[in-house]
Amino acid sequence: NAGVMQNPRHLVRRRGQEARLRCSPMKGHSHVYWYRQLPEEGLKFMVYLQKENIIDESGMPKERFSAEFPKEGPSILRIQQVVRGDSAAYFCASSPADRGGDTEAFFGQGTRLTVV
Amino acid sequence: RKEVEQDPGPFNVPEGATVAFNCTYSNSASQSFFWYRQDCRKEPKLLMSVYSSGNEDGRFTAQLNRASQYISLLIRDSKLSDSATYLCVVNTPYGNKLVFGAGTILRVKS
Repeated sequence: NAGVMQNPRHLVRRRGQEARLRCSPMKGHSHVYWYRQLPEEGLKFMVYLQKENIIDESGMPKERFSAEFPKEGPSILRIQQVVRGDSAAYFCASSPADRGGDTEAFFGQGTRLTVV
Repeated sequence: RKEVEQDPGPFNVPEGATVAFNCTYSNSASQSFFWYRQDCRKEPKLLMSVYSSGNEDGRFTAQLNRASQYISLLIRDSKLSDSATYLCVVNTPYGNKLVFGAGTILRVKS
């Protein structure tokens, strides 16, 4: 049973380009979370998705950022017109269907985005 | 007030020491609590869940005080390999969102 898979592991983009980060959850997991970690800082919640639904996007910047988790395929975090401040590690986590709140999450190895 | 607040670090301790981390959360309706560990430039990994009755796993003991909205992690007989950032994590009561504290850095020195 493979863990949470994120790709690419490292991504370099020039300012103004688009970045697409992919996350395949663990088998049987229907909940996906995206977090951002800036250098020397903690993890910041961005968005929480279930299949075909955005449940909570309270941590997403209002512009340029979007996320989806289609019925088939991985979850995608998309950043349009990247700026240097978007440089960070982006972690995806997945968990199984809600078991009444006692639900741990398993993390992927992250995508390190560098904007030059 | 932040949803989850942790002790500021870093904690620098000698091998064999006992060290305790504290964490407070703001939402009294929160239901699930965890400690995660994150090594430098790696992904967070679950260390242990935290239950109302308190729980122990080897050298690690976690405690929850719902009345004070307070979680703790105690590490006994610290090892060099315990050096990492320890993250307090709270599951919000609605929507099953995990909220992370900023983390506490532990450095164990020989």
